[in-house]
Amino acid sequence: QVQLQQSGPGLVKPSGTLSLTCAVSGGSISSSDWWSWVRQPPGKGLEWIGEIYHSGISNYKSSLKSRVTISVDKSKNLFSLKLTSVTAADAAVYYCARRSIAPDAFHIWGQGTVVTVSS
Amino acid sequence: DIQMSQSPSSLSASVGDEVTLTCRASQTIISYLNWYQHKVGQAPRLLISAASTLQSDVPSRFSGSGFGTDFTLTISSLQLEDFATYYCQQSYTTPYTFGQGTKLEIK
Repeated sequence: QVQLQQSGPGLVKPSGTLSLTCAVSGGSISSSDWWSWVRQPPGKGLEWIGEIYHSGISNYKSSLKSRVTISVDKSKNLFSLKLTSVTAADAAVYYCARRSIAPDAFHIWGQGTVVTVSS
Repeated sequence: DIQMSQSPSSLSASVGDEVTLTCRASQTIISYLNWYQHKVGQAPRLLISAASTLQSDVPSRFSGSGFGTDFTLTISSLQLEDFATYYCQQSYTTPYTFGQGTKLEIK
């Protein structure tokens, strides 16, 4: 059973960089799945940020594309999120998730990380 | 981007009731529609994929239907553990988008 374990700081300074990691256990990151990040701002719904395939191919939400990088480390079986120039609008619960392609859905989720943006 | 709209935004119901939640896409998404249950402090849980495929660990009181732009999630005989927020999500194309959610509350 694949599990996702998130790690990373819960407090980021304004204009700083948010960095989170999602470790994959019980399976390989080189499977035929996509590895995604989704966030939920306080009081709002879920927002897809982007995803990566083990080959390095990535897709991002266009409004975040200039600030987001999702990367994969196959040797450590994990993937990461970096979001630069953060503002209060980036405060949210961040989730990593596995998107399987058959059927196409987010089947497995990390536990979530609450990220606060404050100096 | 494909916009997903859910109705109602909130719903009060009692244990044992049957409820139907609606999700509408701004353009056709064929059957690329998923439903998630989200409880406070927990990760979202996939209930239904491809509009009507129940996940193996989900009780049979949950069912989904729809095609094209209009979809429904029905919960028959509500149980206490079903009170949560429900999101629909389209996987037809990137950016993958979610509805704003329907909060199901105890009456």
